[in-house]
Amino acid sequence: GAVVSQHPSRVICKSGTSVKIECRSLDFQATTMFWYRQFPKQSLMLMATSNEGSKATYEQGVEKDKFLINHASLTLSTLTVTSAHPEDSSFYICSVGPGPEAFFGQGTRLTVV
Amino acid sequence: AQSVTQPDIHITVSEGASLELRCNYSYGATPYLFWYVQSPGQGLQLLLKYFSGDTLVQGIKGFEAEFKRSQSSFNLRKPSVHWSDAAEYFCAVGGNFGNEKLTFGTGTRLTIIP
Repeated sequence: GAVVSQHPSRVICKSGTSVKIECRSLDFQATTMFWYRQFPKQSLMLMATSNEGSKATYEQGVEKDKFLINHASLTLSTLTVTSAHPEDSSFYICSVGPGPEAFFGQGTRLTVV
Repeated sequence: AQSVTQPDIHITVSEGASLELRCNYSYGATPYLFWYVQSPGQGLQLLLKYFSGDTLVQGIKGFEAEFKRSQSSFNLRKPSVHWSDAAEYFCAVGGNFGNEKLTFGTGTRLTIIP
């Protein structure tokens, strides 16, 4: 299966600042990557589909200007949380899939103070 | 729209006992079904998957799951649990080949008691 590396694993930022999270596919060229958000003790909610070389597709209710996604290469997608607020604190996970099977990064715990 | 239901939020099992975690799905065509396990603060690890063929699938760590189309279920089982199996378990359903978008259930937290 694919090996997915996500960085950083934890980040604490001040309210109003922006944070960038990287998702790298180490051994698979991914034209599509997925970004999920997970609240404590809850399931994963798909935020957006990241498409290499084109705009991301956002799920209903996800603010495009708040969560900027860039998929500039076949191995890297980034999620930038802009003007972060405490309610953006969450666990963010990316996934890639050679086919219908998804492989996940280890996740990023974002805390906004 | 596809959906997944995991009726049990939390299950407690004694070490060495058998385990069954329930999963029901809703999908308009033949689904791709998955079970993932998540340890606290970690990403998700794939336990097993069903795409087609034999409805009883074997996975890692001694887990198995059975696809029952008539019941729209994909229950996860293990004959004898170990303390290291304590984690959160997610059932997921996916779409057609090439569309890896997954819909997850709400998860079942498994606690193992000595």
